[in-house]
Amino acid sequence: NAGVTQTPKFQVLKTGQSMTLQCAQDMNHEYMSWYRQDPGMGLRLIHYSVGAGITDQGEVPNGYNVSRSTTEDFPLRLLSAAPSQTSVYFCASRAPGVYGYTFGSGTRLTVV
Amino acid sequence: GESVGLHLPTLSVQEGDNSIINCAYSNSASDYFIWYKQESGKGPQFIIDIRSNMDKRQGQRVTVLLNKTVKHLSLQIAATQPGDSAVYFCAETAGANSKLTFGKGITLSVRP
Repeated sequence: NAGVTQTPKFQVLKTGQSMTLQCAQDMNHEYMSWYRQDPGMGLRLIHYSVGAGITDQGEVPNGYNVSRSTTEDFPLRLLSAAPSQTSVYFCASRAPGVYGYTFGSGTRLTVV
Repeated sequence: GESVGLHLPTLSVQEGDNSIINCAYSNSASDYFIWYKQESGKGPQFIIDIRSNMDKRQGQRVTVLLNKTVKHLSLQIAATQPGDSAVYFCAETAGANSKLTFGKGITLSVRP
């Protein structure tokens, strides 16, 4: 198993550009989440999904969209990048009844 | 609002000593708690968890203590090693379909 795979690992965007952060897991986990991590702060939940076709907002959803067409994939879309979205983004997944998430290695995004 | 927080931002310990990392939580409905370790440039890694019906759980060199009366969680690391140097997060959730909320994190630095 590869676990949770995030691509790209690094990305630089200009303000106003859009992009999609990819996340895929091969563990057949139903639950998937996106977090952002900023210096001096913990991980803040952006969006999460409890299964294919089901998504919900987390703590900081503004400026981000998600979809969950398959169990394996949970892409995060930035519609119009802003400098405030400069952060490290982590995708995570877990199985029902197992509370601990498995995290990917992160995408470091810089918006200039 | 409900939050999970940590008392200290950094902790420096001598190699071989025991480390104690503390965490306060405020959501009385939380029934499951997790400690994560995050090394530089990597995603958070599950260390140990505990359910609210327990007050202590031991793993390999790590022990988690839960005091529901004062809403306090601690992680004890025995015989701290240089490889334990990392940022440690506590996280809590209030049910199988609930979100996982993270504290801000504490940096553990191990002195040789």
